[in-house]
Amino acid sequence: DTGVSQDPRHKITKRGQNVTFRCDPISEHNRLYWYRQTLGQGPEFLTYFQNEAQLEKSRLLSDRFSAERPKGSFSTLEIQRTEQGDSAMYLCASSPTQGAITEAFFGQGTRLTVV
Amino acid sequence: GENVEQHPSTLSVQEGDSAVIKCTYSDSASNYFPWYKQELGKRPQLIIDIRSNVGEKKDQRIAVTLNKTAKHFSLHITETQPEDSAVYFCAASLGSARQLTFGSGTQLTVLP
Repeated sequence: DTGVSQDPRHKITKRGQNVTFRCDPISEHNRLYWYRQTLGQGPEFLTYFQNEAQLEKSRLLSDRFSAERPKGSFSTLEIQRTEQGDSAMYLCASSPTQGAITEAFFGQGTRLTVV
Repeated sequence: GENVEQHPSTLSVQEGDSAVIKCTYSDSASNYFPWYKQELGKRPQLIIDIRSNVGEKKDQRIAVTLNKTAKHFSLHITETQPEDSAVYFCAASLGSARQLTFGSGTQLTVLP
């Protein structure tokens, strides 16, 4: 599968612990997005990178959340001091940078459960 | 910011019938409207999209219509099949970053 890959697929953590997720976008896709999806809802935008630059952050992204894309390839999303409300599916998506609007390809997601 | 509303939240149809899902958006500057299909436990996958300079687009059994004046767009699935059963999300995009604002989803069930 040469699509967007995310690791791990599932993560169970105790409240207060830190967790880190990884996303590997489709090769040569400049844009990378993180979304969060809770049960019965559509994905909600968290943050966006173009190459290594983090260009936009949603107000949903509290100070406990940090995302990086150090070399413009893979990205990590870290949540510090996890809370039960952080339990959700974290989706990564990538798209190429073109003049025209292009499709965002999603990964399978990382399902986080905070107990 | 952009707000997208989607109706209905659940939809059951008999196999072979048509299904229609409707969305409205708030920001008139939005210019890209994709539809994603998400099967249980799987990633959202794009099934069709439309840009603001087009009123309608078809791809086999799937079509999308856009009314910019009313700020709404709809997904039409004809000759539904059981494998069409899934959650469908509409979305709208504003600006060059192309971040998507999603609707809350429609659970479509096609009864054999």
